[in-house]
Amino acid sequence: NAGVTQTPKFQVLKTGQSMTLQCAQDMNHNSMYWYRQDPGMGLRLIYYSASEGTTDKGEVPDGYNVSRLKKQNFLLGLESAAPSQTSVYFCASRQTSGSPYEQYFGPGTRLTVT
Amino acid sequence: AQSVSQHNHHVILSEAASLELGCNYSYGGTVNLFWYVQYPGQHLQLLLKYFSGDPLVKGIKGFEAEFIKSKFSFNLRKPSVQWSDTAEYFCAVGGYSTLTFGKGTMLLVSP
Repeated sequence: NAGVTQTPKFQVLKTGQSMTLQCAQDMNHNSMYWYRQDPGMGLRLIYYSASEGTTDKGEVPDGYNVSRLKKQNFLLGLESAAPSQTSVYFCASRQTSGSPYEQYFGPGTRLTVT
Repeated sequence: AQSVSQHNHHVILSEAASLELGCNYSYGGTVNLFWYVQYPGQHLQLLLKYFSGDPLVKGIKGFEAEFIKSKFSFNLRKPSVQWSDTAEYFCAVGGYSTLTFGKGTMLLVSP
């Protein structure tokens, strides 16, 4: 049981390049989330998905897109990377029945945009 | 809109000192409260959570938190910190779908 996994762990992009961050969970959780973590800002929600095939914007969605085609995967895309998107990105998942609401986090992807 | 305020951005303590990290929240519905910890270079891990019932919640590694509804607070405490408690601590409040995190408190424990 790997929990929540993220690839890649590190990435350097040039301004204007695009890329996709991948997240997978093996806990059969319904909900999945993408956050960014910046110094002094805590975690801010980019997008979330309550179930396979549905997505919703969070606090800071501009410049990102997401895809949840399979229950276990949640992809975060950067359409045209900007230096302001330099951050650490965390994926999380959560079950929506039983003991509720706590989110389980992946190890993070450290992205630098030059 | 929900919000979380953590009072201290940085805290420095010596080993064996007592710890209290402040957290105040604003939330309109039934409140669910969490403390997460992030050790250096690692991902967030759940320390403890409060949904209902006893307002004094005990978590892992000797941490506890008290929910005081009248003060909209959920402060984290530990009687005696260790060097291994050096980490960043996040308070979070949430409803059914999403969580809102505070900006975090970096705790440095000196041996």
